[in-house]
Amino acid sequence: AQSVSQHNHHVILSEAASLELGCNYSYGGTVNLFWYVQYPGQHLQLLLKYFSGDPLVKGIKGFEAEFIKSKFSFNLRKPSVQWSDTAEYFCAVMSPNTGFQKLVFGTGTRLLVSP
Amino acid sequence: DTEVTQTPKHLVMGMTNKKSLKCEQHMGHRAMYWYKQKAKKPPELMFVYSYEKLSINESVPSRFSPECPNSSLLNLHLHALQPEDSALYLCASSQTGQGEANEKLFFGSGTQLSVL
Repeated sequence: AQSVSQHNHHVILSEAASLELGCNYSYGGTVNLFWYVQYPGQHLQLLLKYFSGDPLVKGIKGFEAEFIKSKFSFNLRKPSVQWSDTAEYFCAVMSPNTGFQKLVFGTGTRLLVSP
Repeated sequence: DTEVTQTPKHLVMGMTNKKSLKCEQHMGHRAMYWYKQKAKKPPELMFVYSYEKLSINESVPSRFSPECPNSSLLNLHLHALQPEDSALYLCASSQTGQGEANEKLFFGSGTQLSVL
């Protein structure tokens, strides 16, 4: 079975600091990887996804993530965070064989950006 | 229209009540999902409907009963819930559920349920 680990449960940064959130998954086969964001009081939104091709994926709002197959990792990065990035971030993984019907979320990282 | 609409946004119910949560999308998606999210936890999959048929039931107690009347609507009927069922219930939809490269999962804003 697939599982996803997000090591940082809470991250506090000042505006303009760089961000990196860790995500590791365990699954031996081909995977599709996602980062979702949940702003306070809002629904989950897709930040970016990796299906195939270039392992460096660029998403919305200046976020990017790098798929490193040898490390089973898909870390999320942003060079300079803003106060509006305060939110909960979820990494998720699925097998192409089962699709979204077996999407597995990590435990989430709560990011607080102070002005 | 790229929205998944859930009603009500908030619901308070007693343990003997019967209530229903509703979810609607008009994107032509044929896969619809119910997730449960407790505070500070990730969403947990409850049910998946694919082409209006229940395809996945993640061992959810029978006090939760899903229904998919048509391809745009998804209901979750609640009966005899327990206080530990208090959570945010999220609906989502995607094109087919098969995870093709261009498929996206759209979430609703959820129904915050409190069981007293």
